[in-house]
Amino acid sequence: ETGVTQTPRHLVMGMTNKKSLKCEQHLGHNAMYWYKQSAKKPLELMFVYSLEERVENNSVPSRFSPECPNSSHLFLHLHTLQPEDSALYLCASSQLLGDTQYFGPGTRLTVL
Amino acid sequence: GQQLNQSPQSMFIQEGEDVSMNCTSSSIFNTWLWYKQDPGEGPVLLIALYKAGELTSNGRLTAQFGITRKDSFLNISASIPSDVGIYFCAGLQTGANNLFFGTGTRLTVIP
Repeated sequence: ETGVTQTPRHLVMGMTNKKSLKCEQHLGHNAMYWYKQSAKKPLELMFVYSLEERVENNSVPSRFSPECPNSSHLFLHLHTLQPEDSALYLCASSQLLGDTQYFGPGTRLTVL
Repeated sequence: GQQLNQSPQSMFIQEGEDVSMNCTSSSIFNTWLWYKQDPGEGPVLLIALYKAGELTSNGRLTAQFGITRKDSFLNISASIPSDVGIYFCAGLQTGANNLFFGTGTRLTVIP
């Protein structure tokens, strides 16, 4: 399997639920990213990891909690989300921080 | 963050026509990238440009890195229905951790 994969592809959750999004890259890259894409808005960078260390956190609410256990895997833990958090969540990876990024297919999240 | 101005915002064209879109910034970038995104999917890298003045092709797609390093354009020749989607430009700067994205150009191809 190649490229960047994300699971699940679709997720519907209530505001009191706890869920996690998973991203896996098979490219041997060292940097991974979480983005949020809402309708009619530009891509918003949420978190950046390089060699499993978080290097950027763009004022994201604490109800989003990232985890990077190794350079191939990235998680986004979700709890007590709001309806306005409904969006497409995209994971990306790059060889090194600041290099060309390759995206996964995204998780379409709906918060009820 | 940095803002990339992408135009046009949307285009409606007949199948077989050529398409041109561009991206400009007030800042210098070291790398320009063009992505295409289909509905409900992640952006797919089309072309990467690493040098000012560089002209690169990928099939019917051609992109150029502007000589001032503040702009880039993407051309699609002889459009086909599967070219439909949103095209994003993105730029990388030295020392930055992340890409800066344009707002996208939504392309509709009428058969």
